[in-house]
Amino acid sequence: DGGITQSPKYLFRKEGQNVTLSCEQNLNHDAMYWYRQDPGQGLRLIYYSQIVNDFQKGDIAEGYSVSREKKESFPLTVTSAQKNPTAFYLCASSMAGINTEAFFGQGTRLTVV
Amino acid sequence: AQRVTQPEKLLSVFKGAPVELKCNYSYSGSPELFWYVQYSRQRLQLLLRHISRESIKGFTADLNKGETSFHLKKPFAQEEDSAMYYCALNPSGNTGKLIFGQGTTLQVKP
Repeated sequence: DGGITQSPKYLFRKEGQNVTLSCEQNLNHDAMYWYRQDPGQGLRLIYYSQIVNDFQKGDIAEGYSVSREKKESFPLTVTSAQKNPTAFYLCASSMAGINTEAFFGQGTRLTVV
Repeated sequence: AQRVTQPEKLLSVFKGAPVELKCNYSYSGSPELFWYVQYSRQRLQLLLRHISRESIKGFTADLNKGETSFHLKKPFAQEEDSAMYYCALNPSGNTGKLIFGQGTTLQVKP
């Protein structure tokens, strides 16, 4: 089944711990993205990467970090510096160029206790 | 500032009634706009984009540059249309880097 896979679906962590969310795609897309989804706020961009070994901050990058060592993988680390980490995280990918569709993963719900 | 506004958090209609989900945007250039839908327990997926001017699942959306709006419409709502709908703006030509509205939950009652 081709597409974009996020794991795990649910994640629980204690306050103060870093946690890494996985995102893998087999669509051969160059670009990948991380969004955070909160009720009443829509989706907000955390980080994005348009090519391997390169990434840029989105609108709410503070307290997060990413890497893009392989084309198919774009893991997101939620660090202890993120003040309000409990949220639903969505990963997406797309081909380069204009008017191409973004494909989303199923999401990871992170709960920090 | 670049912004997308969906003024309704929840829209509840009866089956067979017309539906209009509102979306207004703020953008100085020529906008590229989308509607995404998230059905219960499914991933977010593209419903339609303004540039293709197509109708998907009976939904249409017309870009009105004068009113800076991109409202989503369907003449007769079905129960399976119940979902969360997001309007999104692509400000950069890179279609994954989107600015989303707050989302509107559409509830179609039998």
